[in-house]
Amino acid sequence: EAGVTQFPSHSVIEKGQTVTLRCDPISGHDNLYWYRRVMGKEIKFLLHFVKESKQDESGMPNNRFLAERTGGTYSTLKVQPAELEDSGVYFCASSPPGRSRGEQFFGPGTRLTVL
Amino acid sequence: AQKVTQAQTEISVVEKEDVTLDCVYETRDTTYYLFWYKQPPSGELVFLIRRNSFDEQNEISGRYSWNFQKSTSSFNFTITASQVVDSAVYFCALSDPNAGGTSYGKLTFGQGTILTVHP
Repeated sequence: EAGVTQFPSHSVIEKGQTVTLRCDPISGHDNLYWYRRVMGKEIKFLLHFVKESKQDESGMPNNRFLAERTGGTYSTLKVQPAELEDSGVYFCASSPPGRSRGEQFFGPGTRLTVL
Repeated sequence: AQKVTQAQTEISVVEKEDVTLDCVYETRDTTYYLFWYKQPPSGELVFLIRRNSFDEQNEISGRYSWNFQKSTSSFNFTITASQVVDSAVYFCALSDPNAGGTSYGKLTFGQGTILTVHP
């Protein structure tokens, strides 16, 4: 079974440009999460989808970040316009429906560098 | 609000030494889950263990063991006879059990501990 995949693995952009990150969760996983780790600090929650609905977006830093999950499959996270402080590693995770286990399966992350 | 503290930023040991990674958490919830994840150089976060807040039994899996103490809000991780392949960043995390009532929501992570095992 394929794990969580993320694309691209690395992205280097100029300040003010737009970048779109993609996450493909494990098939059948209704829950999809976005996290971010900035400058060696803790990994911070951004938002949580259940299927195509945003369950919790309390961690989204500002309105320059837009997440979508059309059809409840893959998700995209767009940053527009990017700022220097957006640099970091963006992780996506997924988990099956229900609360029987709780652990989330993480992708390899996308390393975003804003110059 | 939930909080996880991993006070050890970096630990360096020589192969075959035992090493303990500390994790202290704060939560007002009575039901929660605690996790440890490993991030090897390849970058992905690898799930190691999940512990229910009602189960304080220690757990051992090969060279890995976990000590959960609710009285001190700690969930420490010990690697016995460390190996070079154990070198990684280790994250402790706490779940939010109340997301939507149907599934566990966001994880709150500690800052991570960089473990380097030298040959």
